[in-house]
Amino acid sequence: EADIYQTPRYLVIGTGKKITLECSQTMGHDKMYWYQQDPGMELHLIHYSYGVNSTEKGDLSSESTVSRIRTEHFPLTLESARPSHTSQYLCASSEKASFEKLFFGSGTQLSVL
Amino acid sequence: QKEVEQDPGPLSVPEGAIVSLNCTYSNSAFQYFMWYRQYSRKGPELLMYTYSSGNKEDGRFTAQVDKSSKYISLFIRDSQPSDSATYLCAINDYKLSFGAGTTVTVRA
Repeated sequence: EADIYQTPRYLVIGTGKKITLECSQTMGHDKMYWYQQDPGMELHLIHYSYGVNSTEKGDLSSESTVSRIRTEHFPLTLESARPSHTSQYLCASSEKASFEKLFFGSGTQLSVL
Repeated sequence: QKEVEQDPGPLSVPEGAIVSLNCTYSNSAFQYFMWYRQYSRKGPELLMYTYSSGNKEDGRFTAQVDKSSKYISLFIRDSQPSDSATYLCAINDYKLSFGAGTTVTVRA
């Protein structure tokens, strides 16, 4: 079944650790995105990609980095986690279309102590 | 000023009630108007989209757009407990801007 997968679902980690949040999609979509979601707040775009070897920063300043070596895989890395990075991270993908019908994963809830 | 403002809620209604959700937006260049539904501990899923002023119906759901007032609404008729979720409006020109979401609880 075509879907978008995020791992881990929950992560509790100490300050200063390097972490990678995984995102994979089996829909063959070119566009992929990372959003940050905090309770009661808008989704904020932190990174996106139009295809392999394409990555762009989004609207929200982020200390994370992303890579897109394969169409289906779009991992997000934090080199040194801080408590301010505590949030829900949502990965999404879409076909190349004139409007952004996004398919979201279930998210990774990150807590940095 | 935020590009999209959404009524914050939360809303709690009895089963069978009509739920009304609203957003306003600032950029008249916005072309596509969407509603996403997000269940607890899940990612958002697209519920409805439209690109023109007027109404669009899909079962118990009606999306309404008034471009002259920069106002969009989602109505849920005969609401069910399974409709309990957070509803996010999203509006698109060259990028997608989301509202903060309204959490709806439908009481059995």
